[in-house]
Amino acid sequence: DVVLTQFPLSLPVTLGQPASISCRSSQSLVYSDGNTYLHWFQQRPGQSPRRLIYEVSNRDSGVPDRFSGSGSGTTFTLKISRVEAEDVGVYYCMQGSHWPPLTFGEGTKVEIK
Amino acid sequence: EVQLVESGGDWVQPGGSLRLSCAASGFILSNSGVNWVRQAPGRGLEWISFISKSGSPIYYADSVRGRFTISRDNARNSAYLEMNSLRAEDSAVYYCAREGPDVWGKGTRVTVSS
Repeated sequence: DVVLTQFPLSLPVTLGQPASISCRSSQSLVYSDGNTYLHWFQQRPGQSPRRLIYEVSNRDSGVPDRFSGSGSGTTFTLKISRVEAEDVGVYYCMQGSHWPPLTFGEGTKVEIK
Repeated sequence: EVQLVESGGDWVQPGGSLRLSCAASGFILSNSGVNWVRQAPGRGLEWISFISKSGSPIYYADSVRGRFTISRDNARNSAYLEMNSLRAEDSAVYYCAREGPDVWGKGTRVTVSS
């Protein structure tokens, strides 16, 4: 199974400052069709997960442009350009390139300093 | 509005059974595969099962294979998760999610305890 390792697991940030979360895969996530099925999810306290970014760098509808995704192969990053209070929650990366099973990272908890 | 609504979660004793339902609205569920993902209290997300839009193929995580059965009824725009031989470690919020997974329900809580 593909193992996704996120860093850091806890991320205190100052409002208005940038934040960055890393996700590393135990193997390349480039699928045989050339696409990379690495996605990012946000889970606010008490809510269900919401997909923010699909296939590394594509924002889902309604996602603010302060969220961006990048990376390739085995190393990926989610960036928040300027953290807002509503961004508090846990962020997960997930891969769908080598499945079953779909696998998730451990999650990164973003909180305001 | 596109949404999924889970139901059927409950408290059950070890060894018991439950059937979870996932009802779609605002879109035609038969056009998509469906995943079930669970989250134990204070823990991360764990994928447990997938059913394709046609009903085959079906996949399960090792942790539930042989105990859980996923199914769908496209006429009812719904999917289901039959859970048998439940264990304490199955206690979690269970989410259904459209293939993607881009649309998630709010979840239904399952508690397995004596």
